[in-house]
Amino acid sequence: GEDVEQSLFLSVREGDSSVINCTYTDSSSTYLYWYKQEPGAGLQLLTYIFSNMDMKQDQRLTVLLNKKDKHLSLRIADTQTGDSAIYFCAEADTGRRALTFGSGTRLQVQP
Amino acid sequence: GAVVSQHPSWVICKSGTSVKIECRSLDFQATTMFWYRQFPKQSLMLMATSNEGSKATYEQGVEKDKFLINHASLTLSTLTVTSAHPEDSSFYICSASEGRPGGEKLFFGSGTQLSVL
Repeated sequence: GEDVEQSLFLSVREGDSSVINCTYTDSSSTYLYWYKQEPGAGLQLLTYIFSNMDMKQDQRLTVLLNKKDKHLSLRIADTQTGDSAIYFCAEADTGRRALTFGSGTRLQVQP
Repeated sequence: GAVVSQHPSWVICKSGTSVKIECRSLDFQATTMFWYRQFPKQSLMLMATSNEGSKATYEQGVEKDKFLINHASLTLSTLTVTSAHPEDSSFYICSASEGRPGGEKLFFGSGTQLSVL
């Protein structure tokens, strides 16, 4: 079945850039997502990218997709303490709207 | 943007009782809703896909008689954990898709923390 992997933890200083990486195995992935989860809360959709795109930028967020290597990354520019959360990447293929999630990366932003 | 409301946010119950969790799409119609489960410090795992007016599709290893799903309308799906036991304690999250098939946007409820004593 599909598999999505992420590193578990990332620590950065406030003001630095954060890069969270994700790899996936399903070659038929059509949509790739980044979600943010704060403690005890649901998931907040940050951004998503179609598999025919290489990059998408949305304010402080930049998503890069290397489809050949099945590698997805999320870059957060000028990271703030409010960005501290768990970030999940997820993928879906055309026929199945349910998502397959990575294990989540806990981002810790130090003042 | 689209909002998915999930209720209750947290519930504590005694072992052997049943708990119902509601998931509502507030400003759009959701023919399909999804139920996920999240154990502490782990990722979300899809439990079942809930289709309006038909039986839910359960993922492998999820007991359909234990986790009853009803999707009676285009805006409401419910998950009932029957005869709950401590091992059912978990964070349950629903999601609903807005838009065309392919669902590039999935909106999530805020989750329900279930603690079974």
